[in-house]
Amino acid sequence: KQEVTQIPAALSVPEGENLVLNCSFTDSAIYNLQWFRQDPGKGLTSLLLIQSSQREQTSGRLNASLDKSSGRSTLYIAASQPGDSATYLCAVRGNNAGNMLTFGGGTRLMVKP
Amino acid sequence: DAGVIQSPRHEVTEMGQEVTLRCKPISGHDYLFWYRQTMMRGLELLIYFNNNVPIDDSGMPEDRFSAKMPNASFSTLKIQPSEPRDSAVYFCASSPFDEQFFGPGTRLTVL
Repeated sequence: KQEVTQIPAALSVPEGENLVLNCSFTDSAIYNLQWFRQDPGKGLTSLLLIQSSQREQTSGRLNASLDKSSGRSTLYIAASQPGDSATYLCAVRGNNAGNMLTFGGGTRLMVKP
Repeated sequence: DAGVIQSPRHEVTEMGQEVTLRCKPISGHDYLFWYRQTMMRGLELLIYFNNNVPIDDSGMPEDRFSAKMPNASFSTLKIQPSEPRDSAVYFCASSPFDEQFFGPGTRLTVL
């Protein structure tokens, strides 16, 4: 059974720092990996989708990498801003899991002005 | 497109009552998912549909939970009878195939 872990569970940084959020998964037979952002009391917003054949995806100040063989993905946020404060979740779709996602527990990020 | 629409946004009910949550997916998306989020268990997939057909309902916790998708633009998740431990945020998501798009959620409180 696929298990997804995100470390740290919470992170507080000063504005302007570059930071890395980590996601690890136990079964490397994945179809894709998706990073989401969740603001308090809100739904999930899709940030980046990486297919299993890809090594990274970029969107603005966000860069997500994927190392399938080691079961790891990282989300890099450049020049963090207070508006980046949210919970970041990664989710993995397995090769044999239909279209189902397995979510990590999330990293709660606070960027202090 | 307005995105995934869920109603109601908040629901407070008493134990034993029937609760119906509603979802309108993004037009053209063939997949629809129902999730539940709690502090203790995080995000859990309850059931998902492909072209209105339930594909996997292994996450549905008990027979008290049921979901339907009568057409491509509407789905319901019903809890009957509701219990306090059903209190959670319930999300609906839709997908054309790969990427999933989430609705704003329904916060359910069962007293």
